[in-house]
Amino acid sequence: RKEVEQDPGPFNVPEGATVAFNCTYSNSASQSFFWYRQDCRKEPKLLMSVYSSGNEDGRFTAQLNRASQYISLLIRDSKLSDSATYLCVVNMANKFYFGSGTKLNVKP
Amino acid sequence: GAGVSQSPSNKVTEKGKDVELRCDPISGHTALYWYRQSLGQGLEFLIYFQGNSAPDKSGLPSDRFSAERTGGSVSTLTIQRTQQEDSAVYLCASSLEPNTGELFFGEGSRLTVL
Repeated sequence: RKEVEQDPGPFNVPEGATVAFNCTYSNSASQSFFWYRQDCRKEPKLLMSVYSSGNEDGRFTAQLNRASQYISLLIRDSKLSDSATYLCVVNMANKFYFGSGTKLNVKP
Repeated sequence: GAGVSQSPSNKVTEKGKDVELRCDPISGHTALYWYRQSLGQGLEFLIYFQGNSAPDKSGLPSDRFSAERTGGSVSTLTIQRTQQEDSAVYLCASSLEPNTGELFFGEGSRLTVL
């Protein structure tokens, strides 16, 4: 079983739409959680950390449910520039485990 | 520059040859990670360093793969007797501490084994 599982998508949405991605992780001892963004043929970059209380950064909201071992990312008012692959990342014992990513295409 | 630097950016080699991939992390970052990403796939963890030590080598795919880090800085990933299935982008990342959230990635070394 993979440490981190994500729906690969793609999610095809119109500009202005709200879209949500989910991710599950297998090890309850996981310590910290993140969303990264990866553009085509580029390296991943940190989008935001995820905290148990939930956190928001502009149009992006991340949630963590430790009991269900579930992480989510909500993007409101999608922009064309949001088109990318979103990677769910879990840190356990100093190792960062990456999900295989969810691809988002925002269309005009 | 101030970011993570990797070289070569592209490497084409023949099956059976050895290759060395280099990573120069951000100055002062104690943790350094190597990942592999095949086309259309997620990131596969290979190894991480805390200083010059590699506490976890469990991700290395076979004994043909090895890595070292010297001076708490530059790291080299070596693949011996390359095989076609080694073709991938090899990504290096560094972070200030091993448990902090932000991994800063280099642009990767794209390896093609013919």
